[in-house]
Amino acid sequence: EDKVVQSPLSLVVHEGDTVTLNCSYEVTNFRSLLWYKQEKKAPTFLFMLTSSGIEKKSGRLSSILDKKELFSILNITATQTGDSAVYLCALLTRTSGSRLTFGEGTQLTVNP
Amino acid sequence: NAGVTQTPKFQVLKTGQSMTLQCAQDMNHEYMSWYRQDPGMGLRLIHYSVGAGITDQGEVPNGYNVSRSTTEDFPLRLLSAAPSQTSVYFCASSYSHPQRWVFGSGTQLSVL
Repeated sequence: EDKVVQSPLSLVVHEGDTVTLNCSYEVTNFRSLLWYKQEKKAPTFLFMLTSSGIEKKSGRLSSILDKKELFSILNITATQTGDSAVYLCALLTRTSGSRLTFGEGTQLTVNP
Repeated sequence: NAGVTQTPKFQVLKTGQSMTLQCAQDMNHEYMSWYRQDPGMGLRLIHYSVGAGITDQGEVPNGYNVSRSTTEDFPLRLLSAAPSQTSVYFCASSYSHPQRWVFGSGTQLSVL
């Protein structure tokens, strides 16, 4: 059975701090890993990672995948209160077709 | 371009009642899915569809039915509501490739 584990489950930081969120997985026939940000309602897409070692970057957010060690990290630099959200990691596999398997999520709180 | 539209946003049912959660997308996405989100459990797949006329079960399908008569619409039917179905329900859609799933804003359902 495919498994996605995120850590930590909860994190509280001060504005300006840098945070690293982790997503490890146990899946067969890996296809891609997706990161989403969820603020109160709909998850919004951040990154899709398919190849090891290639960093995806968007402003202060960046993410990288290690297919050998089976994990991904999401980095947020110079955090702002608007970064407070649940960050979700999800996997697609070649055998699961169109089905996403989600981790529990990391609740990030950024205090002023 | 409205994206993924879910209705209603909130619903309270009594045990045994039936209802339909509506989901519509205007992006001509082939794939559509329904997830439920419960505290501490992430998003779990209920049913999904890879095209009009094609549906399949996800991780937690019991008590729910779906149909996909058009590309745009993917309603979720609760046959006989139970308190265990109290949850937040998300509809999502995606192209077949790349699969960057877009989520609706959710339906908060309470079953008393």
